[in-house]
Amino acid sequence: NAGVMQNPRHLVRRRGQEARLRCSPMKGHSHVYWYRQLPEEGLKFMVYLQKENIIDESGMPKERFSAEFPKEGPSILRIQQVVRGDSAAYFCASSPLGTSRGEQFFGPGTRLTVL
Amino acid sequence: QQQVKQSPQSLIVQKGGIPIINCAYENTAFDYFPWYQQFPGKGPALLIAIRPDVSEKKEGRFTISFNKSAKQFSLHIMDSQPGDSATYFCAAAGGTSYGKLTFGQGTILTVHP
Repeated sequence: NAGVMQNPRHLVRRRGQEARLRCSPMKGHSHVYWYRQLPEEGLKFMVYLQKENIIDESGMPKERFSAEFPKEGPSILRIQQVVRGDSAAYFCASSPLGTSRGEQFFGPGTRLTVL
Repeated sequence: QQQVKQSPQSLIVQKGGIPIINCAYENTAFDYFPWYQQFPGKGPALLIAIRPDVSEKKEGRFTISFNKSAKQFSLHIMDSQPGDSATYFCAAAGGTSYGKLTFGQGTILTVHP
């Protein structure tokens, strides 16, 4: 029973490049959440998606960031034209349809380093 | 109003001690309060969670105490072990933030042998 999977685990990009982070939710889970963790800080909500729908993107920066969760395949968090301030750990969490609100299970994260 | 404030920032106890981590919230619409444990280089793992209809919940060595009127909740770790050394995060969800967890700043716990 695999947990939430994220890849890559580590990603290095130069300023101006694009970063694509992937998240495969737990089997049977159709709700995906993305969080960002800056060094020595707590996790900050970015976006909440269900299959083919963005439910809440209130934590997503208005520019350069986008997320999708297609009908088939993993959820993707895309960061265009990365800057040094984007360096952080990005965590994906999933929850099953109809579960008690908030029971989210986290993946191991993708650690993005922008040079 | 969406913040969750967590204290202390760090905590050191001896093996067998009972570390206590506190959180306070402002948004009265919050109705779900989980605690997560995170080891270095890993993702957060759900430890225990509580809803406002109870004042205490215990799972193994972990206990949550909840004070609805004070808008505070805390995590107690009984008989702490060196393996409990990790960062602990409280969080809250509910109301218009459906699906979104608001996290505290985290507490770095060190349990000495």
